[in-house]
Amino acid sequence: DAMVIQNPRYQVTQFGKPVTLSCSQTLNHNVMYWYQQKSSQAPKLLFHYYDKDFNNEADTPDNFQSRRPNTSFCFLDIRSPGLGDAAMYLCATSRIRGTNQPQHFGDGTRLSIL
Amino acid sequence: GDSVTQMEGPVTLSEEAFLTINCTYTATGYPSLFWYVQYPGEGLQLLLKATKADDKGSNKGFEATYRKETTSFHLEKGSVQVSDSAVYFCALSNIPQGGSEKLVFGKGTKLTVNP
Repeated sequence: DAMVIQNPRYQVTQFGKPVTLSCSQTLNHNVMYWYQQKSSQAPKLLFHYYDKDFNNEADTPDNFQSRRPNTSFCFLDIRSPGLGDAAMYLCATSRIRGTNQPQHFGDGTRLSIL
Repeated sequence: GDSVTQMEGPVTLSEEAFLTINCTYTATGYPSLFWYVQYPGEGLQLLLKATKADDKGSNKGFEATYRKETTSFHLEKGSVQVSDSAVYFCALSNIPQGGSEKLVFGKGTKLTVNP
C-alpha cells in the first residue's frame, strides 16, 4: 500500500543534542508537511515543501529546519532541542499545492528530551 | 482568518449509543471540510471529507454533511463501538481563497466508548 512512513516511532535525545527525524512517502505527492503536536492539542504546521520549494510558517522557531533531498524523503532537523520541543512530530503529504486535497499523515515520531 | 470550533470533550458513551460531535467553521468562500481520527499513539487518518455545500461525506458508519447555511460539519454515527475510541479532529482547507497551505484544525474531541 502507498503510504507515509516515519522513522523512528520513538526518539529520545538529550537537551541541546541535535536530532533528525525522517519521513518517506510512496504516494509520489508533490507536497510534504511537518507538524508538531503537543499533548491534547491539535497539530501545528511548522513548514512545508512544494517539490523543492521550502515554505516556513512565520512562527516556526529557527531551531527547526528541514531538508528534502528528493520527492520521496523529507527530514526534520532540530538543532538544539529544548524541553519544550518534546512532542509528536507528524509528517504529511498532499498531491498538489494550491488545491483543497486532503493531507495524508504518517504515524508520527514521538520525541522525548532528557 | 479561517477557524474551526468543535465540541470539546471528553465524550464518554456506551457501546451502540448515538454519537454527534459538533463542528462549525468560519471561512470565506467554499473551503473543503474534513474529519480526521487519531487513535492512541498513532498519526491522523482521514475519516471523511466534503468539498461543497450539501455534500455528505461517509466512511465506516460515520457521516457528516457540509451545511453552508449554518457553517457546520457535524460528525454522526448511529451506533458506536469500543474500537471507535479515539480523538476526532474537524479541519478545513481554504487554499484557493487565499488561505495558507495548512489545514486549520479544531481542538479535537476525545471519544471513549465503554463496553
